[in-house]
Amino acid sequence: KAGVTQTPRYLIKTRGQQVTLSCSPISGHRSVSWYQQTPGQGLQFLFEYFSETQRNKGNFPGRFSGRQFSNSRSEMNVSTLELGDSALYLCASSSSSGMSTDTQYFGPGTRLTVL
Amino acid sequence: SQQGEEDPQALSIQEGENATMNCSYKTSINNLQWYRQNSGRGLVHLILIRSNEREKHSGRLRVTLDTSKKSSSLLITASRAADTASYFCATAPYGNNRLAFGKGNQVVVIP
Repeated sequence: KAGVTQTPRYLIKTRGQQVTLSCSPISGHRSVSWYQQTPGQGLQFLFEYFSETQRNKGNFPGRFSGRQFSNSRSEMNVSTLELGDSALYLCASSSSSGMSTDTQYFGPGTRLTVL
Repeated sequence: SQQGEEDPQALSIQEGENATMNCSYKTSINNLQWYRQNSGRGLVHLILIRSNEREKHSGRLRVTLDTSKKSSSLLITASRAADTASYFCATAPYGNNRLAFGKGNQVVVIP
């Protein structure tokens, strides 16, 4: 099976712009989660989608949003970018159904730089 | 919220030696997972241990879990240069997939 893929891998934006990141989960996985990794805050949970519904949300401002499509692919959007949004954004997929927890498989990440 | 927290140390060891990392957490968990990350790339899943398990092995990896002490350890035996990476523990609560990560341990294996 192909692993989790994320596009683009690198992105440079300026303050005030918006950005959309894409994630394709492992075939058959219906749960997709997003994480932000920065040197200062480490790995932080953004949100999780399951069957096109947001199931969990982390403590991030409303500028961070996401969605999931019927084929389980997911996108996250960050509007009005700030310098502090520079980070590695990681997507993870899981076969977990319902409310169970299982191994999450991560993609290579999208490195976002905000200038 | 629960938080996996590794002992914040950087390990530098010779190839062939063993490396041990520890992780503590604060609340009840469903499982605990260990991941490896090379040079700011994606996370590679190493091993998952459930709350009702005490020890688990996978190749050169051995993970222990002590739920009474809310702690876990990862042992890498006979280390190789390719084991050079950052290692993270992450806890998963009951009922959802929201992983809480520790700050990571950087391990350098010197050939």
